[in-house]
Amino acid sequence: NAGVTQTPKFRILKIGQSMTLQCAQDMNHNYMYWYRQDPGMGLKLIYYSVGAGITDKGEVPNGYNVSRSTTEDFPLRLELAAPSQTSVYFCASSTYNEQFFGPGTRLTVL
Amino acid sequence: EDKVVQSPLSLVVHEGDTVTLNCSYEVTNFRSLLWYKQEKKAPTFLFMLTSSGIEKKSGRLSSILDKKELFSILNITATQTGDSAVYLCAPRGSEKLVFGKGTKLTVNP
Repeated sequence: NAGVTQTPKFRILKIGQSMTLQCAQDMNHNYMYWYRQDPGMGLKLIYYSVGAGITDKGEVPNGYNVSRSTTEDFPLRLELAAPSQTSVYFCASSTYNEQFFGPGTRLTVL
Repeated sequence: EDKVVQSPLSLVVHEGDTVTLNCSYEVTNFRSLLWYKQEKKAPTFLFMLTSSGIEKKSGRLSSILDKKELFSILNITATQTGDSAVYLCAPRGSEKLVFGKGTKLTVNP
């Protein structure tokens, strides 16, 4: 099992550019999540999904979009990158008992 | 609004010391509480607690949940430099975890 995988590991964007952060899991989990973590801060939930075709907003959804067409994949889309979106992004999937995190994507917007 | 408060925010100790990390929470439809350890990468799972008074143990780490008073503690005995990390508390509501800001633990040799 690869667990939760994320690509890319690092990315630098210019203001106004768009990109998609990829996330995939091979554990057949229904629940998947996107978080961002700013330096010295905890994890903030951006979006989550309870199954294919179902997504919902978390704490900080503005500036992001998601889709969940399959159980395995949960991409996060940034349409118009802004410096405030500079952060480390973690994808996670979960059973009821435990949440598994991907390795993270470090995004810088200049 | 869901709320998680961890204390202290930062802690510096010497190897061999015992530490207690605190987590108080207010979460709608509380189901369970998870503890994570985060070094310079993604969080790794430590414990899940669902019932009050149940103490989970894993080696030098143990944790207790008090569902009446809405808090949990994480104890680490005989600390080692490898315990240096940020420890995150995350109560689970209906479908999602709510993370605290974490306690940064530094263990000096």
